[in-house]
Amino acid sequence: EVELLESGGGLVQPGGSLRLSCVASGFTFSSQPMDWVRQAPGKGLEWVSTINKSGAITYYVDSVKGRFTISRDNSKNTLYLQMNGLRDEDTAIYYCARIGVVDFWGQGTLVTVSP
Amino acid sequence: DVQMTQSPSAMSASVGDRVTITCRASQDISKYLSWFQQKPGKVPQRLIFATSSLQGGVPSRFSGSGSGTEFTLTISSLQPEDFATYYCLQYYNYPYAFGQGTKLEIK
Repeated sequence: EVELLESGGGLVQPGGSLRLSCVASGFTFSSQPMDWVRQAPGKGLEWVSTINKSGAITYYVDSVKGRFTISRDNSKNTLYLQMNGLRDEDTAIYYCARIGVVDFWGQGTLVTVSP
Repeated sequence: DVQMTQSPSAMSASVGDRVTITCRASQDISKYLSWFQQKPGKVPQRLIFATSSLQGGVPSRFSGSGSGTEFTLTISSLQPEDFATYYCLQYYNYPYAFGQGTKLEIK
């Protein structure tokens, strides 16, 4: 059974940093690109970032470019999202996922950016 | 970048009704479109992938159609458990994009 377990969310002040982690199990992690998707309170789903299987290629939504960095450690079956320069509008549940051709979702971790 | 325009943003319907939700893409995305259902406080669940393929375990009252730039999700006979928010997703190219969502409420 596929499992994606996120951690690292919490309360942070504007301008601060957080690092989200996602440990994967139940599938061959190194064979799948991976995604982060977020959902602000009461709002819709927003794709944030994708990393390819090797970690060499990354994609970002414009609103996080230059502030967020996606990475992975295939030896640890772990996906990361380093978030710097956090803003109020980054407040959301962040889901580790593989969407598109296949469909895996974690339960999400809440990031709250507030003074 | 591909923009997804989903309509309506909200609607009310009754049990047994036939419901259609539409997503329009700003450019041709071939068949690379999925539909998700999300209930409050829950993780999104994929219903349809590749425009019209039904996810395993999803009731057959859900169906998808379309190609290119216009896509529809149809629920043939609404059941009480179908009242939720629905999203489309284009995965033809990056950046991926979700539609804005359709909140389906009980009339």
